[in-house]
Amino acid sequence: DAGVIQSPRHEVTEMGQEVTLRCKPISGHNSLFWYRQTMMRGLELLIYFNNNVPIDDSGMPEDRFSAKMPNASFSTLKIQPSEPRDSAVYFCASSPGTVEVPYFGPGTRLTVT
Amino acid sequence: GENVEQHPSTLSVQEGDSAVIKCTYSDSASNYFPWYKQELGKRPQLIIDIRSNVGEKKDQRIAVTLNKTAKHFSLHITETQPEDSAVYFCAAIRKDKIIFGKGTRLHILP
Repeated sequence: DAGVIQSPRHEVTEMGQEVTLRCKPISGHNSLFWYRQTMMRGLELLIYFNNNVPIDDSGMPEDRFSAKMPNASFSTLKIQPSEPRDSAVYFCASSPGTVEVPYFGPGTRLTVT
Repeated sequence: GENVEQHPSTLSVQEGDSAVIKCTYSDSASNYFPWYKQELGKRPQLIIDIRSNVGEKKDQRIAVTLNKTAKHFSLHITETQPEDSAVYFCAAIRKDKIIFGKGTRLHILP
């Protein structure tokens, strides 16, 4: 099993640009999570999906952030427009169910200048 | 709201000594407690977990203990080695939510 796959691994963009992060969960996993990690705030849950349906998006910072899961094998996290304070590592994780341990992808390091 | 507190935030131990990291949780409905290790520049990876019907679990040099009455659980690493240097996260899971602690940066001193 390839594990959770994320792309790109690194993204550098200018303030105001749109950023799209992509995730392919582990096959057969029903839950998908998007986390943001910074030194200041640690690991923050942004949103999670169960069976492709968003269950809890209370961690999404503001309207500039949106996430979709059009099918069981693909999810995107979009930031539009991006700001320097969005600079962080964004992890996607998946689990067999919401009460199971999430397995993390390698992360996308986002730098907004 | 629900919360997981993790202590200490930084821990330095001499190689060969033991390290203990503690977490407390607030939601009594939490019933599953994983621990993750995150090496520099890498993803958090599960190293051990414990369910609420068990008081202790051991895997080689790492062990986790759980006290449900007091709502705290701990990670114990014995005979520490340089490769144990990392950030460790605890988490508490209930049926619809997982909450992470803020992490402990563990330094193993030569």
